[in-house]
Formats: sequence, structure tokens, C-alpha cells
Amino acid sequence: EIVMTQSPATLSVSPGERATLSCRASQSVTSNLAWYQQKPGQAPRLLIYGASTRATGIPARFGGIGSGAEFTLTISSLQSEDFAVYYCQQYSDWPLTFGGGTKVEIK
Amino acid sequence: QVQLVESGGGVVQPGGSLRLSCAASGFTFSNYAMHWVRQSPGKGLEWVATVSDDGSSEYYADSVKGRFTISRDNSKNTLYLQMSSLRAEDTAGYSCARDGRARTAYSGHEFDHWGQGTLVTVSS
Repeated sequence: EIVMTQSPATLSVSPGERATLSCRASQSVTSNLAWYQQKPGQAPRLLIYGASTRATGIPARFGGIGSGAEFTLTISSLQSEDFAVYYCQQYSDWPLTFGGGTKVEIK
Repeated sequence: QVQLVESGGGVVQPGGSLRLSCAASGFTFSNYAMHWVRQSPGKGLEWVATVSDDGSSEYYADSVKGRFTISRDNSKNTLYLQMSSLRAEDTAGYSCARDGRARTAYSGHEFDHWGQGTLVTVSS
């Protein structure tokens, strides 16, 4: 099983600042990596797939980079609606696995 | 627009069974693999099972293999999850999700649309 590790667990950021979230895989997943945003009481929302492709309707302030086993999600200028939990997910191999999440909170 | 609506959750005793349904609309259901994902209260996301677009292939997490069965009825645009031998650790919100790619040979990709979920509580 490919283990996905996200860091940090919690990120405190002021509105307007940049947020950088990390996701590491226990083995290479090439570019088969997605990022999701989840707000309390809501279903997850796909942000990024293929490590760097924004999903439909996702603002340009969300950017994904990486390949192999190291990935980063960057939110260039945090808006109030961006405070949420973010998960990465690999789909390189079965079982499909998620990271434990990074909570982005208001500083 | 794509809609996924789960139903069938509830409270069940350990060892019991439950069948979840996911009604899909707004897209050609038979073109997409479908998934079940669960989330324990206050915890992260766990993939549970996947069925291919035509229903011929199924994939399961080790934690549910042999106890859960995923299936679909493309004539009814509905996805199912039959759960048996339920345990306390199966307590979670169960969501169905659409695979991000249409009409592909491989069934496991990103999940581009999610339902709101249905809560399953396993307790005596």
C-alpha cells in the first residue's frame, strides 16, 4: 500500500498570505496525484489532478507541483473561503490512498 | 449538473448488514467508474471500493474485503454498497464519488464529483 503523508498537520496563515502544503508518497506515484479541499459539513471538492492540472472552476491561486513522491499545493493569496482541510490522494495503484490532511486555519 | 445522492445509512448492530444506494443524475452514468469513500467522525478520508463503468471489475480496501460488495445498475443510474458483518470501526459517513475519467480501461483516478454522504453507525 502506498502511504501518503501530509505536512504540516495544521497551517496557520493570515488572509492574503501564501500557503504551502506538502504531500509525500512512500513510493513513486508519477503524476497520479490529486488534491481536495473539504470544509466542515461539506463533501470534498477536487482542486488538482495529475499533480498540477486545476479542476474545472478552480481559481488560479491554487497551484500544484511535483512528481514521483514529493508534491506541493500552493495557495498564492489566501481568501477567507480557503480556510479548510486539504487532502492529497494517489491513484497510481490500488488501494487508492489519501493523506491525513492539512488544516489551514486563520492566523 | 452532476448530482450524487446517497441513502440507506442508519444505526445497525455489530455483525449486522446494511445496503447503501447512490442515485446519480446529470451525466451518462454508464460511462464512469464509481467509488465509495468513507470518513469517520472527525477523521480523514478512506477509499472503500470501486466498480468499473460496466460493472465487470471491482476493487476493495483490505479493511472491507470479503464483507462489502459494490455493484451498480446502469439502467437505474444507481450505485450500491452492500455491507455485512459490520464492525464498530465501520462507523463513518459513506459518500459515493464519480471517477474523473470517462470510458477508460482503468477505473481508478481522481474523484471529480462527490455526494454529501450517508451516516452509518455500528453500535449495540
